[in-house]
Amino acid sequence: ELKVEQNPLFLSMQEGKNYTIYCNYSTTSDRLYWYRQDPGKSLESLFVLLSNGAVKQEGRLMASLDTKARLSTLHITAAVHDLSATYFCAVGETSGSRLTFGEGTQLTVNP
Amino acid sequence: DGGITQSPKYLFRKEGQNVTLSCEQNLNHDAMYWYRQDPGQGLRLIYYSQIVNDFQKGDIAEGYSVSREKKESFPLTVTSAQKNPTAFYLCASSPPRTTFTTSNYGYTFGSGTRLTVV
Repeated sequence: ELKVEQNPLFLSMQEGKNYTIYCNYSTTSDRLYWYRQDPGKSLESLFVLLSNGAVKQEGRLMASLDTKARLSTLHITAAVHDLSATYFCAVGETSGSRLTFGEGTQLTVNP
Repeated sequence: DGGITQSPKYLFRKEGQNVTLSCEQNLNHDAMYWYRQDPGQGLRLIYYSQIVNDFQKGDIAEGYSVSREKKESFPLTVTSAQKNPTAFYLCASSPPRTTFTTSNYGYTFGSGTRLTVV
């Protein structure tokens, strides 16, 4: 059974600081997704990572994947208040199309 | 524009009542999914369907039922057997995983239905 763990679950940071969210998963996968969710809203796709060593960047967010360690990171650079949201990683099973989600990281960026 | 439409946005259920949540997509996607999200938690898979007239249980299927009579539609019924149905429900769709690329995230999510027991 595929399990996905994120940490930290809660993150409060100051504007301008850097931080990293970690996503560990338990079994082999060929794709990993990062999503953003604002309160009461649906999911917004951020990144999909399909191979070992993959790195994607968009603005102040950068995601990477290490399939050997079964670890993905979402790095936040020089945080701004607009990045406050909950961030989820999701891992796809190799035998089908199911996604398993982590518990989410609730990020609050304070002025 | 292509996308997924969930309705209603808000739904109230009385004790012992069955309710049905609608999910329609015009993306020509083969697979469709239903997720449940409780406050402060991640998404848990209820049911999924990879092809018309076929569906599989997810991790928390008890108290729910689905049908997949058309490619575009995947309604979810919350039955009276589901004792704690208050949650946010998200529907998603995807093409076959063999077509996933870095430019195609693969999964499209609806805007959600918030169900409350009254």
